Amino acid sequence: KAGVTQTPRYLIKTRGQQVTLSCSPISGHRSVSWYQQTPGQGLQFLFEYFSETQRNKGNFPGRFSGRQFSNSRSEMNVSTLELGDSALYLCASRPGQGRELFFGEGSRLTVL
Amino acid sequence: AQSVTQPDIHITVSEGASLELRCNYSYGATPYLFWYVQSPGQGLQLLLKYFSGDTLVQGIKGFEAEFKRSQSSFNLRKPSVHWSDAAEYFCAVGPMDSSYKLIFGSGTRLLVRP
Repeated sequence: KAGVTQTPRYLIKTRGQQVTLSCSPISGHRSVSWYQQTPGQGLQFLFEYFSETQRNKGNFPGRFSGRQFSNSRSEMNVSTLELGDSALYLCASRPGQGRELFFGEGSRLTVL
Repeated sequence: AQSVTQPDIHITVSEGASLELRCNYSYGATPYLFWYVQSPGQGLQLLLKYFSGDTLVQGIKGFEAEFKRSQSSFNLRKPSVHWSDAAEYFCAVGPMDSSYKLIFGSGTRLLVRP
């Protein structure tokens, strides 16, 4: 069974631009979560989606948004990029009743 | 507030030596506890988990961890470290509410001396 797939793996943007990251969960997994990883703040929860509904959101500004499609694939969007948004963005999925998160390899965003 | 503390930022051990990585948590109920490993440029791989029952849990790659409720700890151990174990290790606790959110520690970077 294929793992969690994130695209793109690497990208470079400039301040003020926006970016969209994509995540395909493990087949059959209906929950998708996003985390931001930075050297200063570590791993921080962004949001979780289940059956196309956002169930919770972390303490991030409204520039960070996401959505989930009917096939469970998810996207997150960051608008008006700031230098501090440079990070590794990790997507994780889990089955409906599962307790374990399975992570993708991440999308590394660099904002110049 | 719920939190996870990994007191060691870096640990260096010789190949073949034993390893213990510390993790302490603050949580209002019996948590789910996890250890993940991250190699450079990679995502997180689940090493092991504790939900309930036997407090000594076995994971992949020869790792084990022991849940000690009285000490609010979930330390990771390995009897003999291999050079390929060099990576960053994260302890995590969750879920925090109806949404499945994990709280991660700040990580411990393991260096292995040949």
